Amino acid sequence: ELKVEQNPLFLSMQEGKNYTIYCNYSTTSDRLYWYRQDPGKSLESLFVLLSNGAVKQEGRLMASLDTKARLSTLHITAAVHDLSATYFCAVDRGDKIIFGKGTRLHILP
Amino acid sequence: SAVISQKPSRDICQRGTSLTIQCQVDSQVTMMFWYRQQPGQSLTLIATANQGSEATYESGFVIDKFPISRPNLTFSTLTVSNLSPEDSSIYLCSVEGTGAVGTEAFFGQGTRLTVV
Repeated sequence: ELKVEQNPLFLSMQEGKNYTIYCNYSTTSDRLYWYRQDPGKSLESLFVLLSNGAVKQEGRLMASLDTKARLSTLHITAAVHDLSATYFCAVDRGDKIIFGKGTRLHILP
Repeated sequence: SAVISQKPSRDICQRGTSLTIQCQVDSQVTMMFWYRQQPGQSLTLIATANQGSEATYESGFVIDKFPISRPNLTFSTLTVSNLSPEDSSIYLCSVEGTGAVGTEAFFGQGTRLTVV
């Protein structure tokens, strides 16, 4: 059974600081997603990671994938309040997508 | 990319009634997925809907409670039956489509259901 473990589940940080969210998964997969969700809203796709060593960056967010370690990271650089949201990683094994529990990120001004 | 229109966006329903959620996609897709997101929780897959066949339900979800229709390659409905307050959640439909880097998952806007 594919399991996706995300940590931390809650993160409160100061603006300007850097931090990393970790996503471990238990079996091989076709692709890994990172999503952002604002309260009461649907999911916004941030990154799709396909291959080992993939690194993608968009603004202050950078995602990486290590398929050998079954680990993906979402790194936040110089956080700003607008990045406050819940971030989900999700692993696509082809027939279904399994989500992590999400990281609720609160950035303090 | 795939554009998904999901209706209604929210509803408040009496316990014991049912709610049917519609999901329309702007392109033909083989599989459509229905998820539930309980308050403060992650997304849980309810079922996978293939056109022309019975939906495949995940453990803990049954057809009598969550009947699904898939009449064609662009449309699906999820009904949540015999509502109880525990059914209060966000329900999302999802499809796989072609994005900037190949196949990826796209989500509808979600339906926020409150059962009173």
